[in-house]
Amino acid sequence: QVQLQQWGAGLLKPSETLSLTCAVYGGSFSGYYWSWIRQPPGKGLEWIGEINHSGSTNYNPSLKSRVTISVDTSKNQFSLKLSSVTAADTAVYYCARALWGSSTLYYYYYMDVWGKGTTVTVSS
Amino acid sequence: SSELTQDPAVSVALGQTVRITCQGDSLRSYYASWYQQKPGQAPVLVIYGKNNRPSGIPDRFSGSSSGNTASLTITGAQAEDEADYYCNSRDSSGNHLGVFGGGTKLTVL
Repeated sequence: QVQLQQWGAGLLKPSETLSLTCAVYGGSFSGYYWSWIRQPPGKGLEWIGEINHSGSTNYNPSLKSRVTISVDTSKNQFSLKLSSVTAADTAVYYCARALWGSSTLYYYYYMDVWGKGTTVTVSS
Repeated sequence: SSELTQDPAVSVALGQTVRITCQGDSLRSYYASWYQQKPGQAPVLVIYGKNNRPSGIPDRFSGSSSGNTASLTITGAQAEDEADYYCNSRDSSGNHLGVFGGGTKLTVL
């Protein structure tokens, strides 16, 4: 059974860079989109971006100028960096495995495995 | 603002049927996926594709779609179904971006 284990610094000061890593255990790394999602306190889920095993990325336009998602296939890990953080970046950050493809009439896209989440607080 | 629109809150009597909806242009070409999130926990996938449940998800959860609206139906809601529910898809711009609905808080009375 695939598991995602994530880690990274939980307390940052404004202007610092958020850095999180997610390791994939028990499954293939290829054929999926490895994603980051965040959830500010008391709010809904926000898609940050994704990367596939070959390094192709997609980013949320609202964060694109500050986000970098990278992959290390040798370690089955992928990482998130978010620069110049502010209090608005305070959130629980999740990593997840996404599948994306097409069936007869429709496309499908879903995240079937999630990490437990990392709480990141930005405060001076 | 989200490209997928959900009602903020829905309630259902114990044992009754409830439908949670998600509207968005991308749902004319994408199946929505649905996630259940309980307080302090990571989201859990409950429905994906046309109407598929991951292993371990009770069969009282089902999904459907019509036009630009996707629905999650819980038939015979249980107390443990009280949670936030989010729909998810790619966006309608063609830029392959992920998007979530704003979430629906389900209360089981």
